[in-house]
Amino acid sequence: KQEVTQIPAALSVPEGENLVLNCSFTDSAIYNLQWFRQDPGKGLTSLLLIQSSQREQTSGRLNASLDKSSGRSTLYIAASQPGDSATYLCAVPGGQNSGGSNYKLTFGKGTLLTVNP
Amino acid sequence: SQTIHQWPATLVQPVGSPLSLECTVEGTSNPNLYWYRQAAGRGLQLLFYSVGIGQISSEVPQNLSASRPQDRQFILSSKKLLLSDSGFYLCAWSHSGANVLTFGAGSRLTVL
Repeated sequence: KQEVTQIPAALSVPEGENLVLNCSFTDSAIYNLQWFRQDPGKGLTSLLLIQSSQREQTSGRLNASLDKSSGRSTLYIAASQPGDSATYLCAVPGGQNSGGSNYKLTFGKGTLLTVNP
Repeated sequence: SQTIHQWPATLVQPVGSPLSLECTVEGTSNPNLYWYRQAAGRGLQLLFYSVGIGQISSEVPQNLSASRPQDRQFILSSKKLLLSDSGFYLCAWSHSGANVLTFGAGSRLTVL
């Protein structure tokens, strides 16, 4: 069974700081990994999708990396802004080594990011 | 472009009452449809997913059920709500054969 862990659970930084959010997963035989953002009381917004053949993806100030062999992904946020404050979640499909389905995503519990002005 | 609608946005129901949450997707055909629940401190839990009309897979034993009466409509139901059913329910869709999810805005259910 795929398990996803996100560290830290919460992070508070001053505006302008660069930061890294971590995601680890137990079954590395995955097709892809997704990062989402969730604002309080809202649905999830997709940020980045990394295919298993890729090592990183970039969108604006966001850069996500994937190291399948070690079961890890990081989300790097450059020059953080107060508007970046939200919960960030990573999600992976069930790993092939554990008989998982590509359709069923397992989510981490998220990292609650607060960027202080 | 594709859009996903979910309603109601908030719901307060007494224990033992029925539940119906509805989700519809526009602008695509034969999507995969999902219901997730997000409870405090527990992360997102996949409840049901569907790859076609009338095809429902249940992930967690519970007193909830799901139905897909039309290609782009997904309904979450309960005959008798429990206190433990309180939470934030999220509908999502993906293209057939893919797992890149787009989520609805969510429905906040409080059972008293």
